[in-house]
Amino acid sequence: DADVTQTPRNRITKTGKRIMLECSQTKGHDRMYWYRQDPGLGLRLIYYSFDVKDINKGEISDGYSVSRQAQAKFSLSLESAIPNQTALYFCATSATQGERETQYFGPGTRLLVL
Amino acid sequence: KQEVTQIPAALSVPEGENLVLNCSFTDSAIYNLQWFRQDPGKGLTSLLLIQSSQREQTSGRLNASLDKSSGRSTLYIAASQPGDSATYLCAVNQAGTALIFGKGTTLSVSS
Repeated sequence: DADVTQTPRNRITKTGKRIMLECSQTKGHDRMYWYRQDPGLGLRLIYYSFDVKDINKGEISDGYSVSRQAQAKFSLSLESAIPNQTALYFCATSATQGERETQYFGPGTRLLVL
Repeated sequence: KQEVTQIPAALSVPEGENLVLNCSFTDSAIYNLQWFRQDPGKGLTSLLLIQSSQREQTSGRLNASLDKSSGRSTLYIAASQPGDSATYLCAVNQAGTALIFGKGTTLSVSS
């Protein structure tokens, strides 16, 4: 079984709809992240959480919200989806390890907003 | 604000060639630098991680170097193969934040 899972893997929705993307991890990591990827733009950070009670905005948090329900679960919500939120969304996790810290990525959720 | 730049944006080479991908960053206060591989429409696979105190890391045909003072890293791929075709992403890890990514280099290796 994959260590970092994302659901759904693909989603088509309409403008104005609320949508939630979910991420779960079995690695026991304390840190979790949400990124979005657009063609030719690399990955950009939306939100990150260093533990259950810690939530931080990333570079592009407008239009998004998150919930850290447990150490293993981190959800991303689009309250009112718009077409320019069409993208590939990745969840990632890491353990606090200073210089040796690396992130492990989920398989991604492809979202299309019509 | 940390910025990460990767050059070239795309690269096409014949099988067997050795090649170098470049990554530069503007703030040298980093914990580490990582190279990832991404196949089309897929997730990211970590290739190499170079800690701030290290100069290079090797894994098989891959060698990554880090020069913090100049804000540069290179990923060297020896004897390229068609299976190496993918997008390669460079990312820096700064204390207290998440990874900051470059836009990637898309590599195509022809047989």
